[in-house]
Amino acid sequence: GDSVTQMEGPVTLSEEAFLTINCTYTATGYPSLFWYVQYPGEGLQLLLKATKADDKGSNKGFEATYRKETTSFHLEKGSVQVSDSAVYFCAWGYNQGGKLIFGQGTELSVKP
Amino acid sequence: GAGVSQTPSNKVTEKGKYVELRCDPISGHTALYWYRQSLGQGPEFLIYFQGTGAADDSGLPNDRFFAVRPEGSVSTLKIQRTERGDSAVYLCASSLQGATSTEAFFGQGTRLTVV
Repeated sequence: GDSVTQMEGPVTLSEEAFLTINCTYTATGYPSLFWYVQYPGEGLQLLLKATKADDKGSNKGFEATYRKETTSFHLEKGSVQVSDSAVYFCAWGYNQGGKLIFGQGTELSVKP
Repeated sequence: GAGVSQTPSNKVTEKGKYVELRCDPISGHTALYWYRQSLGQGPEFLIYFQGTGAADDSGLPNDRFFAVRPEGSVSTLKIQRTERGDSAVYLCASSLQGATSTEAFFGQGTRLTVV
């Protein structure tokens, strides 16, 4: 059925390390793909999105590319900072719709 | 500069009781969503309103759960005969249009504990 599978956390990195959080999805057709982030004590907020195959979403140094052939949307950042410590959620939804399907979240902890 | 506001932030109730959770969306946002998030899990969709009407209520788990948005602004999620399994954080979000075409803004949630 419709789902999102994310890399399990927690992920612990040193500052300036390279980050990858894997995400694959199961959906019928061609959904839009999203990464949401939840910083400690705050609500979920949109980090980036991509609406069609081969699109790259980017924001705050994070990037993710919509790969239709592998149904993936992996999140990457070249050099993480302590302030990136948060829980990251991959999600998808159909265009014109409202419902989002979320993964279970991946906790990232960046140490100085 | 208000974001999405949810009240109460915490609610403890006894098994079998009725609870109401309130969501104040961002002014002007026609779309409103309710999600439920259990510990260690991602948000699980419950219901989506476009204006006053429920455009998609496919995520409501059973008939104990009901949500309204009578004037197209504030929404209330109502849970009857609460069970311990209903314990979770209930999240509300709003967007100008659907969440796949315009950004959805989330509230901080109501943590419901059924004892």
